[in-house]
Amino acid sequence: GESVGLHLPTLSVQEGDNSIINCAYSNSASDYFIWYKQESGKGPQFIIDIRSNMDKRQGQRVTVLLNKTVKHLSLQIAATQPGDSAVYFCAEKKGGYQKVTFGTGTKLQVIP
Amino acid sequence: NAGVTQTPKFQVLKTGQSMTLQCAQDMNHEYMSWYRQDPGMGLRLIHYSVGAGITDQGEVPNGYNVSRSTTEDFPLRLLSAAPSQTSVYFCASSGTARGSYEQYFGPGTRLTVT
Repeated sequence: GESVGLHLPTLSVQEGDNSIINCAYSNSASDYFIWYKQESGKGPQFIIDIRSNMDKRQGQRVTVLLNKTVKHLSLQIAATQPGDSAVYFCAEKKGGYQKVTFGTGTKLQVIP
Repeated sequence: NAGVTQTPKFQVLKTGQSMTLQCAQDMNHEYMSWYRQDPGMGLRLIHYSVGAGITDQGEVPNGYNVSRSTTEDFPLRLLSAAPSQTSVYFCASSGTARGSYEQYFGPGTRLTVT
């Protein structure tokens, strides 16, 4: 579960380094996990998703890892760029379409 | 394709007023949803629709109504605005592509209730 409040956890990363954003989920019955990126003043943008029967999935410069034993999800961004600065949300889906729950989010700051 | 569009971008209401937030998508998606996002928090599902004529409640439906008369449009109605409804509202749509669960979000409507 995520803490609720006005202050997002922040991850500061040097440009060119790899970033790892973590998420703890609560529902062991969730069948899909999704990562979204939200830039300031915009709507969330889909990055990558992973089914619950997978441990790892790779996209372009991103990798999602799923550890069901400890209910942990992570998003790895390779060679982080200034354009990666945003808030990142994990979300989990259980059963039907309506069962999507978003986490609180992590703010990624890329230092040039 | 315009994707998901929302109007208005900004709105200020007085307590007790009603209004409708508009949402439209041109991707022929079956699924549409409304979320609200409060400062420093994630999105919470208000209402959703799995097709024209079919809607259901999400996590925080009280004070809101929806209808889905066409595939393209999914308006959200605030019946009697309250300060607790001050938030940013996002509409989203998705199709039924196998093996993926990708929602497309609109740019949001920033609502202030005084």
